[in-house]
Formats: sequence, C-alpha cells, structure tokens
Amino acid sequence: GDSVTQMEGPVTLSEEAFLTINCTYTATGYPSLFWYVQYPGEGLQLLLKATKADDKGSNKGFEATYRKETTSFHLEKGSVQVSDSAVYFCALNSNSGYALNFGKGTSLLVTP
Amino acid sequence: DSGVTQTPKHLITATGQRVTLRCSPRSGDLSVYWYQQSLDQGLQFLIQYYNGEERAKGNILERFSAQQFPDLHSELNLSSLELGDSALYFCASSVGDFNYGYTFGSGTRLTVV
Repeated sequence: GDSVTQMEGPVTLSEEAFLTINCTYTATGYPSLFWYVQYPGEGLQLLLKATKADDKGSNKGFEATYRKETTSFHLEKGSVQVSDSAVYFCALNSNSGYALNFGKGTSLLVTP
Repeated sequence: DSGVTQTPKHLITATGQRVTLRCSPRSGDLSVYWYQQSLDQGLQFLIQYYNGEERAKGNILERFSAQQFPDLHSELNLSSLELGDSALYFCASSVGDFNYGYTFGSGTRLTVV
C-alpha cells in the first residue's frame, strides 16, 4: 500500500543552520504530498503541499519539491530559528483514498 | 486556534470503561477525520465522515465507533478500553471529501489506567 518514509530524528541544529528532512514515498498513481508541523502540545498544522510532479510547495521559508523520478519530497529551509523546533510529518494522499498516510515524524531541535 | 474544536483535552479512565470524544469541525467543512497518535504506531487513520455519512475506514478497532451528526459535529466512541488505547486522538476537518490537506484540532489525550 501507499506509504511514506522519513528520516529518523531527532535532528539538532544551531540557529541559522540549513535544514533538510528527507521524505520518500511509495504510491500507486499520482499522490498529493504534504508537510505538516506539530508544535509541543498542539495539533498538526499544514506547512506546505504539492499536488503534482515538479510542483514546489513553500511557506514560512520552508520549501519542498515533488520529485516523481526519485519519489521524494524533501523539506528544506535555508536558515532555521529556535521557533522552528517541532515535529515535522511528511504525508501523502493517493488519488484512490481519502485519508492521509503519515510518516513517523522527525523531531527538530534548534539551539541558540 | 485552528477552528477545529476537540473536547475534552484530557481524559483519564480505567480499563474496561467507555468514553466519548467530541469534535466540532471548522465552519464550512463537511468532512471529519479521526486519527490516533501513539509513540509506537505514529499517526493512524481511523475513520472519515462526510456530511453525516461514513466515507472511509482505516485501522479502527471494532471496539471503536464514530458518527457525524446533522450539525456536522462528530463523536468517537471507545469502549472496553485497554491500556494500549492510551494515545492522542486527533480530529481533522476539510471542505470536501477529496483531500487537499486537513485542519487539525489540538487533540484529546486519553490515558487508560
């Protein structure tokens, strides 16, 4: 079935460092891809999305490009802040289903 | 505030008991989704309702059931609770039944003792 694999955390970075969180997927058809962020004690918030190959989603300095050839949707940010500390989830929605399939999540800690 | 309201925020109950979790979707959203988040299983999709009708089922146990009412709020009923049911239960909503990304509530933390 459809699935998402994320790099395991925790990831610890210094403020202003470059961030990459890897995400690869397995799906039939042409899924839509998402990144969600979960801050401590809160629900998940949609960070960005891409609905077709080569689309780039972006929000709050984060970017991810839908790469069909490598079945990837890696999350990047050029300069992280302490406030970016959270758990990041990659997810997909296949055209045949209504639910989102989430990865296990990657915890990010940014230190001053 | 995401606009999706879940109550209660915390719930502690004993094994064998039954509880009801409530979710009010964002205004205008017709679909409600329930997810269970645990440390070992991650986020697991349980069930979806669209405008009062069950639309999709995931890894929902037979001891669990849900419904969506005419005012679009939804309830998740968990019965014969076991220690392993301790988790965060999230509700999410979206406008239609094809998903372009949900809006999540802040969750109900269930602890079974």
